[in-house]
Amino acid sequence: DGGITQSPKYLFRKEGQNVTLSCEQNLNHDAMYWYRQDPGQGLRLIYYSQIVNDFQKGDIAEGYSVSREKKESFPLTVTSAQKNPTAFYLCASSDSGGQTQYFGPGTRLLVL
Amino acid sequence: ILNVEQSPQSLHVQEGDSTNFTCSFPSSNFYALHWYRWETAKSPEALFVMTLNGDEKKKGRISATLNTKEGYSYLYIKGSQPEDSATYLCAGGGSNYKLTFGKGTLLTVNP
Repeated sequence: DGGITQSPKYLFRKEGQNVTLSCEQNLNHDAMYWYRQDPGQGLRLIYYSQIVNDFQKGDIAEGYSVSREKKESFPLTVTSAQKNPTAFYLCASSDSGGQTQYFGPGTRLLVL
Repeated sequence: ILNVEQSPQSLHVQEGDSTNFTCSFPSSNFYALHWYRWETAKSPEALFVMTLNGDEKKKGRISATLNTKEGYSYLYIKGSQPEDSATYLCAGGGSNYKLTFGKGTLLTVNP
């Protein structure tokens, strides 16, 4: 089945630790996105990638890093510089800009 | 950043009622308006993407309209069913890749 997978479903981070959230798609989409959801807020864009080996900062990129070495994969690293990482993280992809985005099931990150 | 506002924040209706909610956005620098439905424990699901002033889209009992000159979109649900219960997200695009999401409208349909 075509779709987007995210792993793990839950992730626990210790103080000062970097953690990486996985996002994989088999929809053959060029564009991929990472969003963060906090209670009472809309989804906020962290990073997006229009094409392999290219990515741009979204509205809240500080404390995060990404890579796009393969079309299918867009992992997000939450670094120790992100002081408030507890949130629900959603990955999405689209055929191109402005088109419908398809979302994964999300990863909930908690800090120990 | 495009500022997208949704109202109401939440809504309770009875099965069979028709309902509507609003998404407002700055009319300048507009590119596209997206509607998504997000059911609990599932991924957000795309409903509509609209780009032109006056656009109207329909999917079953759900329809949406777009007014880019005044900066609003309406989502209508005719004859609400319990399975329509979800958070409805509106997202505006000021550029063709960056979407700004509203906080959503939580719809609860009571049987």
